[in-house]
Amino acid sequence: DAKTTQPNSMESNEEEPVHLPCNHSTISGTDYIHWYRQLPSQGPEYVIHGLTSNVNNRMASLAIAEDRKSSTLILHRATLRDAAVYYCILRGRNTGGFKTIFGAGTRLFVKA
Amino acid sequence: DTAVSQTPKYLVTQMGNDKSIKCEQNLGHDTMYWYKQDSKKFLKIMFSYNNKELIINETVPNRFSPKSPDKAHLNLHINSLELGDSAVYFCASSQDNMGYSNQPQHFGDGTRLSIL
Repeated sequence: DAKTTQPNSMESNEEEPVHLPCNHSTISGTDYIHWYRQLPSQGPEYVIHGLTSNVNNRMASLAIAEDRKSSTLILHRATLRDAAVYYCILRGRNTGGFKTIFGAGTRLFVKA
Repeated sequence: DTAVSQTPKYLVTQMGNDKSIKCEQNLGHDTMYWYKQDSKKFLKIMFSYNNKELIINETVPNRFSPKSPDKAHLNLHINSLELGDSAVYFCASSQDNMGYSNQPQHFGDGTRLSIL
């Protein structure tokens, strides 16, 4: 199964950009890269996803390496409300269904 | 309006009991999931249903029996609860056309199950 590797934790100052890296060297051609975040006592929340090209939405930007073996989630201006665990996952069509594998994620600390 | 709602939010019960957790989504999605998040915070997929059909069963003990009466509902019944079943259970849904996983999943807020 395709897996992702992320740093255990990162720290950022409020209102500064944050770059959260993710390695997925075993990604297959049909795997989409998804990012979710989980705030304390809540369910995971979708942030962004992409396949090959960089993506932007109101929450964040996703930069995907040309070989697709890594990606970076970019929060342009971190706020205290962005403190959460960020998961980089691969979603791909698997025999018999739709498989999503979550790793340990990166816990982001935001300092005021 | 809540997109994916689970009930109950908290469930405390004794070992050996049977309990159910309900999940409903009002997003019109065709795929629903159950995840388990243990004390180490790892999220693991348990089941996935597409159009009421079971498509993923991740080696979950057969004490766990999901049921999907319609596309908008996926309930989880657990028999003979064990201490190791204590965890947070999340329901999710997505629109996955023909298995292409390019759509986001929407999660509920979780059911915190504690076994005494």
